[in-house]
Amino acid sequence: SYVLTQPPSVSVAPGKTARITCGGNNIGSKSVHWYQQKPGQAPVLVIYYDSDRPSGIPERFSGSNSGNTATLTISRVEAGDEADYYCQVWDSSSDRVVFGGGTKLTVL
Amino acid sequence: EVQLVESGGGLVKPGGSLRLSCAASGFTFSSYSMNWVRQAPGKGLEWVSSISSSSSYIYYADSVKGRFTISRDNAKNSLYLQMNSLRAEDTAVYYCARDPVVGAAAGPNWFDPWGQGTLVTVSS
Repeated sequence: SYVLTQPPSVSVAPGKTARITCGGNNIGSKSVHWYQQKPGQAPVLVIYYDSDRPSGIPERFSGSNSGNTATLTISRVEAGDEADYYCQVWDSSSDRVVFGGGTKLTVL
Repeated sequence: EVQLVESGGGLVKPGGSLRLSCAASGFTFSSYSMNWVRQAPGKGLEWVSSISSSSSYIYYADSVKGRFTISRDNAKNSLYLQMNSLRAEDTAVYYCARDPVVGAAAGPNWFDPWGQGTLVTVSS
């Protein structure tokens, strides 16, 4: 089965850039979507189709996908960005949705 | 405003059954695929099941296949998850989520929006 690997945690100082990776075999051939989840809340879509941003999501959030790694980049990080972030793909070879294990972003 | 409201969660004994519902409003429910995603306490997101707009395509995670059944009633703008033979490891918050691509056929895309979730606890 297809596996997505994320680092358990990423720490960044306010105002700096955070990069959260999502690794998978030839993930560049798939569409990757990203969700933000704050404690006690439902997940919120922040990036879809690798790099598209839903309305209402700040331009500070961006995404890229190539080779075996997709990346969510958060520029000018704010305290309010502290949350868990999950990547997600559709694996058509197995007809399964796959989530990464999640990354806890800590703003120092 | 697009809104998804789950209900039906609760405490159930191992081996028992439960039916979750998700009431949709603010959009043409019959045009969208729908999904269930769960999250065990302190754990990550786990996809459970997806159903296309006309129920022609249905998918299940291996962990629930044969025990859970997803269905929908487009006339009632509602999504359901019938859960049988429940196990302790099914304990989780269950979210319903819309696939925002109109008329999506084979294969879910992404999930937006999500409901607030309903807690299912399987314990004796």
